[in-house]
Amino acid sequence: DAGVTQSPTHLIKTRGQQVTLRCSPKSGHDTVSWYQQALGQGPQFIFQYYEEEERQRGNFPDRFSGHQFPNYSSELNVNALWLGDSALYLCASSLVRNNEQFFGPGTRLTVL
Amino acid sequence: EDQVTQSPEALRLQEGESSSLNCSYTVSGLRGLFWYRQDPGKGPEFLFTLYSAGEEKEKERLKATLTKKESFLHITAPKPEDSATYLCAVPLDRGSTLGRLYFGRGTQLTVWP
Repeated sequence: DAGVTQSPTHLIKTRGQQVTLRCSPKSGHDTVSWYQQALGQGPQFIFQYYEEEERQRGNFPDRFSGHQFPNYSSELNVNALWLGDSALYLCASSLVRNNEQFFGPGTRLTVL
Repeated sequence: EDQVTQSPEALRLQEGESSSLNCSYTVSGLRGLFWYRQDPGKGPEFLFTLYSAGEEKEKERLKATLTKKESFLHITAPKPEDSATYLCAVPLDRGSTLGRLYFGRGTQLTVWP
């Protein structure tokens, strides 16, 4: 049973560029959430997708956007990158009927 | 304001020295409290869900308990491979299973031989 997968593992971008991160949920899961984790901090909620719609959003600017596909996989897009966006980006999947979220290995984004 | 606070921030134990990690929360109408383990540079690994005061769950050397105000993660006779950051999280949204998890900052546990 495949767990949550994310790609790429690492990414280096420069300020002002745009980035797309990808996530495939755990088999059987229908809900995908994205989190940003800065060094030494707990993960911070970005947004959550269910039935291809954004259902919840955390305190992140519109530069952060996402998408969920019919096969439940998801993308996180960040425009106009700045240094403060450097972090570990985590995808978590769950079933809509409960909040037990299972995380992928993360994508380490470095903005120079 | 809803809040999750974990203590201590860091804990160093000798192998075999049992201890407890604390997670206190101020979310009203708690709909579950989650414990995760995170190794450096990796995603959090799900450990436990607790739903009601008095509930306990165990996994190997770990036991999680829940009261109305806090949760404890007890580590019995830890081994060096238990070294990791332990995170607790609570859902913020009432009345819905579609929700955000609010995480504490974690306790960094180091177990030395």
